[in-house]
Amino acid sequence: DQQVKQNSPSLSVQEGRISILNCDYTNSMFDYFLWYKKYPAEGPTFLISISSIKDKNEDGRFTVFLNKSAKHLSLHIVPSQPGDSAVYFCAASATGTYKYIFGTGTRLKVLA
Amino acid sequence: DAGITQSPRHKVTETGTPVTLRCHQTENHRYMYWYRQDPGHGLRLIHYSYGVKDTDKGEVSDGYSVSRSKTEDFLLTLESATSSQTSVYFCAIRSSNSGNTIYFGEGSWLTVV
Repeated sequence: DQQVKQNSPSLSVQEGRISILNCDYTNSMFDYFLWYKKYPAEGPTFLISISSIKDKNEDGRFTVFLNKSAKHLSLHIVPSQPGDSAVYFCAASATGTYKYIFGTGTRLKVLA
Repeated sequence: DAGITQSPRHKVTETGTPVTLRCHQTENHRYMYWYRQDPGHGLRLIHYSYGVKDTDKGEVSDGYSVSRSKTEDFLLTLESATSSQTSVYFCAIRSSNSGNTIYFGEGSWLTVV
């Protein structure tokens, strides 16, 4: 049973446009969500996170939106750059468990 | 840089042999994790540790054991490696300085032939 789902395996976007990556979760106990970027042959790197007490968090070109009622979060990248081409993972955690459950990833390709 | 070192970075081993991967951290973090990454499955939690000698299972713990005899080292052991354990293994730490965020090492590529 996959608790964190990224239903789009891949996404292509033109440079300068907005990239929107989506993530759904099933466990209502999750209250902290994170996004990671991964380049080939490297470890995942942390991008941005959001607590369930918020519905939006912004850091430069990256914004994460959380819709708790829909159990859905999204990562917006504006404007998209070729260097953003990578695999993006969302992750979720529940207070007190210290486990982080990841989705299957979405491969973003930003076209120059 | 989360101060994580994984070793070995690359290993080829034969089916049925034992393999140990090491994760070393230099910043005294309490929580450490082992994940594997496979196409179509993303990152899956194998085991994690919340202190010396304190470990717990993750999503895909069968065929793996772990040990944490000191704060800085978290070992992942495949007692008898199988081809299905060919994967990239990532160690992670939960930083007490940055809330609930975990940070990853560079990965260990394991091939079981």
